[in-house]
Amino acid sequence: SQQGEEDPQALSIQEGENATMNCSYKTSINNLQWYRQNSGRGLVHLILIRSNEREKHSGRLRVTLDTSKKSSSLLITASRAADTASYFCATEREYGNKLVFGAGTILRVKS
Amino acid sequence: DAGVTQSPTHLIKTRGQQVTLRCSPKSGHDTVSWYQQALGQGPQFIFQYYEEEERQRGNFPDRFSGHQFPNYSSELNVNALLLGDSALYLCASIWGFDSYNEQFFGPGTRLTVL
Repeated sequence: SQQGEEDPQALSIQEGENATMNCSYKTSINNLQWYRQNSGRGLVHLILIRSNEREKHSGRLRVTLDTSKKSSSLLITASRAADTASYFCATEREYGNKLVFGAGTILRVKS
Repeated sequence: DAGVTQSPTHLIKTRGQQVTLRCSPKSGHDTVSWYQQALGQGPQFIFQYYEEEERQRGNFPDRFSGHQFPNYSSELNVNALLLGDSALYLCASIWGFDSYNEQFFGPGTRLTVL
């Protein structure tokens, strides 16, 4: 079974707009990670946020984490056509690197 | 520096057959995890190998087995294939069993069971 859910399931925006994806999870976690997947191939790690962190930035990416609500959001600013992909959140409950993924958000950026 | 590699890229099998998938971890990584990703779903954890032993296992039947070799590469074996085993199988590697490091994923093996 999967830990969390991403919202929305699919998102279509114009190039240059911002994209926001949300993730909810069910249990306590050690950290939460976001991954990108192009065309059903391998996963690319985007960012990791620890349970004691509230916000993290990496280039055009901004991730927030609210452990009281068991939720996270991924913001991609100034989107590009190359950002078109599926985005997954994954949680790690404890040391040991077993990741529990959500079902993902499909992002389409139109040029 | 090569990343995580997997072979083969694609595989077609029939029900009841057996399959072996292979994974070479990123240089310097000693822990390998396997995930199954059905179409339209997120990856699901199958098991993890460290020091040639299975350290963690997800909710998968015994038909799924694995092995890790002294060079840290790994194999995933699936016996008595079912139609529902059709999926993308992903391998991920990391340095250290209980570390806080980033996992690196391979491109996956697409298995189709007819």
